[in-house]
Amino acid sequence: DAGVTQSPTHLIKTRGQQVTLRCSPKSGHDTVSWYQQALGQGPQFIFQYYEEEERQRGNFPDRFSGHQFPNYSSELNVNALLLGDSALYLCASSLVLGGETQYFGPGTRLLVL
Amino acid sequence: GQNIDQPTEMTATEGAIVQINCTYQTSGFNGLFWYQQHAGEAPTFLSYNVLDGLEEKGRFSSFLSRSKGYSYLLLKELQMKDSASYLCAVRVKDSNYQLIWGAGTKLIIKP
Repeated sequence: DAGVTQSPTHLIKTRGQQVTLRCSPKSGHDTVSWYQQALGQGPQFIFQYYEEEERQRGNFPDRFSGHQFPNYSSELNVNALLLGDSALYLCASSLVLGGETQYFGPGTRLLVL
Repeated sequence: GQNIDQPTEMTATEGAIVQINCTYQTSGFNGLFWYQQHAGEAPTFLSYNVLDGLEEKGRFSSFLSRSKGYSYLLLKELQMKDSASYLCAVRVKDSNYQLIWGAGTKLIIKP
């Protein structure tokens, strides 16, 4: 049973660039949530996708956008990168919108120079 | 607003017992989760409480009191591998079942 996978594992970008992170949910899951986690902090909710639509969004600017594909995989795009975007980006999947435990992927560590 | 509080750091001895507390002020409570996160890794699910009381799972137990907005995670027979951050998260139905996260408690186990 494949768990949640994310790619790439690490990424280095410079200010102003754009980045795309990818996530494949756990087998059988259809809902994907994205989180940003700064060092020493808890995860901060970015947004959640279900049935290829953004269903809920946290307090993040429009520079953060996403997409969910028919196979339930998802992408997180960040435009015009800032130094403060350096963080661990976590993808979590669950079955059905709400009501189920979220399982996390290994994360993508993004460093913006 | 939504708020979750946990101690920043705790230290315990191998073989001992430790209790990590979590207090929350949220609207539309729909369950509380505990996750373990080793440094540089993703959080892994430990426990889930939605009703008051104690849930036991091996060396780990989690307790919930909804009236007090309080939960704790109890770790018994501590092992060195238990050194990690422990994250408390509350699911809020008013926000489409979004998880609100605490900052985590870093647990240091000493021999």
